[in-house]
Amino acid sequence: GAVVSQHPSWVICKSGTSVKIECRSLDFQATTMFWYRQFPKQSLMLMATSNEGSKATYEQGVEKDKFLINHASLTLSTLTVTSAHPEDSSFYICSAENQETQYFGPGTRLLVL
Amino acid sequence: RKEVEQDPGPFNVPEGATVAFNCTYSNSASQSFFWYRQDCRKEPKLLMSVYSSGNEDGRFTAQLNRASQYISLLIRDSKLSDSATYLCVVGHNDMRFGAGTRLTVKP
Repeated sequence: GAVVSQHPSWVICKSGTSVKIECRSLDFQATTMFWYRQFPKQSLMLMATSNEGSKATYEQGVEKDKFLINHASLTLSTLTVTSAHPEDSSFYICSAENQETQYFGPGTRLLVL
Repeated sequence: RKEVEQDPGPFNVPEGATVAFNCTYSNSASQSFFWYRQDCRKEPKLLMSVYSSGNEDGRFTAQLNRASQYISLLIRDSKLSDSATYLCVVGHNDMRFGAGTRLTVKP
């Protein structure tokens, strides 16, 4: 149990396009999901906390208008990188909380050309 | 079978105790292994990499057994501040996280 999926696993897109990443909890309901980003040779950085049915809480320095988070159901949170630029190229990983344990998704690698 | 499996715990130990966590992974081609520490609702932070020959960093010792596809983390002389969730992570460009093992160190 406690499986989290992400889709897509790889994205290559042109600069200026928007990219949507989905995070799903497959066998449990998660009122809280987390979005992280990892640049090469750096540790994971928490971007935002996504709460079902309410607005996401963004960490300092993360632009909420650029990284749109929607947690419309108890099993799905989406992260949309709007008008992506090459500096947004990164590894994006989500986690879903179940009984105080975070279960991580497999991550999405984004490359913006 | 999950790609990375850990005993979720919780492990409740007294200060000064020695505690060991285990992790198994399914992809025999994996080349990179790490232990991360995660405090409640904070982002995981790298604790140490795991090298083939085993490695030590102060009170922490990590070991890798490729034949058994098994990684371990040993914490000696536990401190209250060691209370956290310890995540086993496999892979580098394509990281796979275990669900973590929760440790509580009590006075």
